[in-house]
Amino acid sequence: GAGVSQTPSNKVTEKGKYVELRCDPISGHTALYWYRQSLGQGPEFLIYFQGTGAADDSGLPNDRFFAVRPEGSVSTLKIQRTERGDSAVYLCASSLRGAMDTQYFGPGTRLTVL
Amino acid sequence: KQEVTQIPAALSVPEGENLVLNCSFTDSAIYNLQWFRQDPGKGLTSLLLIQSSQREQTSGRLNASLDKSSGRSTLYIAASQPGDSATYLCAVARIQGAQKLVFGQGTRLTINP
Repeated sequence: GAGVSQTPSNKVTEKGKYVELRCDPISGHTALYWYRQSLGQGPEFLIYFQGTGAADDSGLPNDRFFAVRPEGSVSTLKIQRTERGDSAVYLCASSLRGAMDTQYFGPGTRLTVL
Repeated sequence: KQEVTQIPAALSVPEGENLVLNCSFTDSAIYNLQWFRQDPGKGLTSLLLIQSSQREQTSGRLNASLDKSSGRSTLYIAASQPGDSATYLCAVARIQGAQKLVFGQGTRLTINP
């Protein structure tokens, strides 16, 4: 079946603008994760959904970042008032049930804030 | 706080060699450890997952070991091929907050034909 998909693949925006990044997980996976990866670094955890609820949002850097998963499938990561420091690759992953299962990653969205 | 370190940061070897990539972690209270591969501009592909109760996992030419007490894991690649060139990342799931994978910075591997 299809893997995790993310759109757009690239997003260029100006400082101060609002952006939305979309993640479509593997069908049937109840757990969904967002990570952020800066150049030359490993991914850093942002938020974890179990079903529709954000079970752990402790990795979100500040209140400009918000994510939703209203129907327990597709998730959207929203960033308000973007800053140049937000430039990174945003990765989404899903797993069948949760932490005990392998996380399958999407190709990522490369966000560039000018 | 869990910290994951991968050494070396980069490795270049001729085709056909067997090689070992290293991963160390500071907190032994882990749920599992995963090895991933990342190709340039791409997402991560899971290679092997080792549960905390296991000592090793094998898939084809890859073998991953886990020594929880010493906080170490190794990824052994046999008979390396140019197609193995990629960045290899290890990630640890802690018992407390297992959903948050904590990643190392990765080892960039180049296999020279």
